[in-house]
Amino acid sequence: GQNIDQPTEMTATEGAIVQINCTYQTSGFNGLFWYQQHAGEAPTFLSYNVLDGLEEKGRFSSFLSRSKGYSYLLLKELQMKDSASYLCAVSSPKGYGNKLVFGAGTILRVKS
Amino acid sequence: GAGVSQTPSNKVTEKGKYVELRCDPISGHTALYWYRQSLGQGPEFLIYFQGTGAADDSGLPNDRFFAVRPEGSVSTLKIQRTERGDSAVYLCASSFWPYRDLLNNEQFFGPGTRLTVL
Repeated sequence: GQNIDQPTEMTATEGAIVQINCTYQTSGFNGLFWYQQHAGEAPTFLSYNVLDGLEEKGRFSSFLSRSKGYSYLLLKELQMKDSASYLCAVSSPKGYGNKLVFGAGTILRVKS
Repeated sequence: GAGVSQTPSNKVTEKGKYVELRCDPISGHTALYWYRQSLGQGPEFLIYFQGTGAADDSGLPNDRFFAVRPEGSVSTLKIQRTERGDSAVYLCASSFWPYRDLLNNEQFFGPGTRLTVL
């Protein structure tokens, strides 16, 4: 089966650091994505991990441990505009395809 | 360049009616995906096209749902005999050939069509 778990909501303060965790159990694995989605808008790509370890991209970093079925997204120097839903998604290959299996998303609220 | 576009942005219909939702992918993207997102949930996979053919339609909920991509570019998702439970945001995404660049196998999403079935 396919199961992706992430916390429903988190609150953090402007300027702080927040870590959003994601655990997954999927049939097939071809990488893990993090997307950001503001209310009423399309998901936008943040990061992609296919190998174990940390990928850093400006204020955002993402970590993957394939043996543990675990990833996290780290957001530094939080800004008010970071308030959004953060979606963890596993790329699940079938033939030549790569459908994304999404978690329900973590709503992050940044307060001043 | 232009991103993924979807029309209409909003569609309100009555139970039992037929609807078509259109997706125009990024030029050069051979892979096209349809997802459905209900309130408070992540997107749920429906169908994937590689070129003109549906390579994986395992996410279509039942035979009322059908999608085509006749020329390998624009795709249309068709829903027959709509039900209230079909109300959701329908998202389309496109990407390059999935194995072209394993290091950045990103799907680009359109703004979605919000379907409301009364």
